[in-house]
Amino acid sequence: DAGITQSPRHKVTETGTPVTLRCHQTENHRYMYWYRQDPGHGLRLIHYSYGVKDTDKGEVSDGYSVSRSKTEDFLLTLESATSSQTSVYFCAIRTSGSKGEQYFGPGTRLTVT
Amino acid sequence: AQSVTQPDIHITVSEGASLELRCNYSYGATPYLFWYVQSPGQGLQLLLKYFSGDTLVQGIKGFEAEFKRSQSSFNLRKPSVHWSDAAEYFCAVAPYGSSNTGKLIFGQGTTLQVKP
Repeated sequence: DAGITQSPRHKVTETGTPVTLRCHQTENHRYMYWYRQDPGHGLRLIHYSYGVKDTDKGEVSDGYSVSRSKTEDFLLTLESATSSQTSVYFCAIRTSGSKGEQYFGPGTRLTVT
Repeated sequence: AQSVTQPDIHITVSEGASLELRCNYSYGATPYLFWYVQSPGQGLQLLLKYFSGDTLVQGIKGFEAEFKRSQSSFNLRKPSVHWSDAAEYFCAVAPYGSSNTGKLIFGQGTTLQVKP
């Protein structure tokens, strides 16, 4: 347990509405990540952060934005949710050093109807 | 492009039998290599990792993995499977080097079913 929590754990929303998912960590790790998990695709990186206000895109970033105003919180926002964004979203942190390990939160199941 | 392939989508083994899950990667240099396990409805748990050195690495829950550079493989093994090992297993790679951002590339996953 790397002290990672995600909220909400489950959410159902309608197409076109904005949605924000929160990831919170308690151990001051510099790197944080958002992944989405879909059957047949494993996990794919959406965005990541390497410090407060420092973020960059992953391989599936279209339709998503992120913010990190505090070390402990990394927010993922879907500006206008679409059905293709129905997925399970995982947050992760990486321990320090060039050989850091990633640890994952419990996930948020998002359904867009 | 970097990629990770887990050729077996679904594997069924009998309890007590040995297990090998395959993982192949495509990358310009030897990356860092990981195996994760995910039980139903849960997050991912790190089983083991390879950074350098001894090509046979030991992990938690009795798992081990062997890195074979010539085959670009990092296969996961367990000598005797328990019913509680039923889960989905993911192989992942991360770029090598001190400047890397730690971004992981995952395989598609292998679902393990254990028969009593």
